[in-house]
Amino acid sequence: EDKVVQSPLSLVVHEGDTVTLNCSYEVTNFRSLLWYKQEKKAPTFLFMLTSSGIEKKSGRLSSILDKKELFSILNITATQTGDSAVYLCAALRVGTYKYIFGTGTRLKVLA
Amino acid sequence: DAGVIQSPRHEVTEMGQEVTLRCKPISGHNSLFWYRQTMMRGLELLIYFNNNVPIDDSGMPEDRFSAKMPNASFSTLKIQPSEPRDSAVYFCASSLGLLGDRAYEQYFGPGTRLTVT
Repeated sequence: EDKVVQSPLSLVVHEGDTVTLNCSYEVTNFRSLLWYKQEKKAPTFLFMLTSSGIEKKSGRLSSILDKKELFSILNITATQTGDSAVYLCAALRVGTYKYIFGTGTRLKVLA
Repeated sequence: DAGVIQSPRHEVTEMGQEVTLRCKPISGHNSLFWYRQTMMRGLELLIYFNNNVPIDDSGMPEDRFSAKMPNASFSTLKIQPSEPRDSAVYFCASSLGLLGDRAYEQYFGPGTRLTVT
């Protein structure tokens, strides 16, 4: 059965810290991995990773995929209180639009 | 663009009643998804449509759940009869659904929080 596992489940840091969130997957015919940020409402899209070893970056956030070891990491540098959210990763299979979501990492950034 | 629109935002109903949730996807998006989110099970895909046709409904929990997409700008998710265990936040999402990576970026609506008493 396909599965996506995120770690840690929750994390508390102080402003300015750097955090690394992990996502491992076991998915048949894997195509891509996506990261979403969910604050109090709907998930919002962050990154989509299809190729191994190529870093995607947006401001203080960056992410990379390792298709050999079947995982991805999301890095956030110089964290701010506005980064507090649940971060979700989702795996996508080839030939389908069906995402398999992990249960998320809850990040809290203290001022 | 207004984004994905869902209604109602909150719904409280009694067990046994019929519930209908509504979704308007982003204009031009060809794929539409219904998700359910609970603390215990996280975000689960219930069903998705491509060009108004249901492609995968394997996540629909049981026959009490049904979904339709009569046209490119409207979809409904119906629960009949509702049960307390159906209480959750139901999200609708849409994506371009064509070729290339952009096709897979899903944009979520604000969700409907359903409480069945």
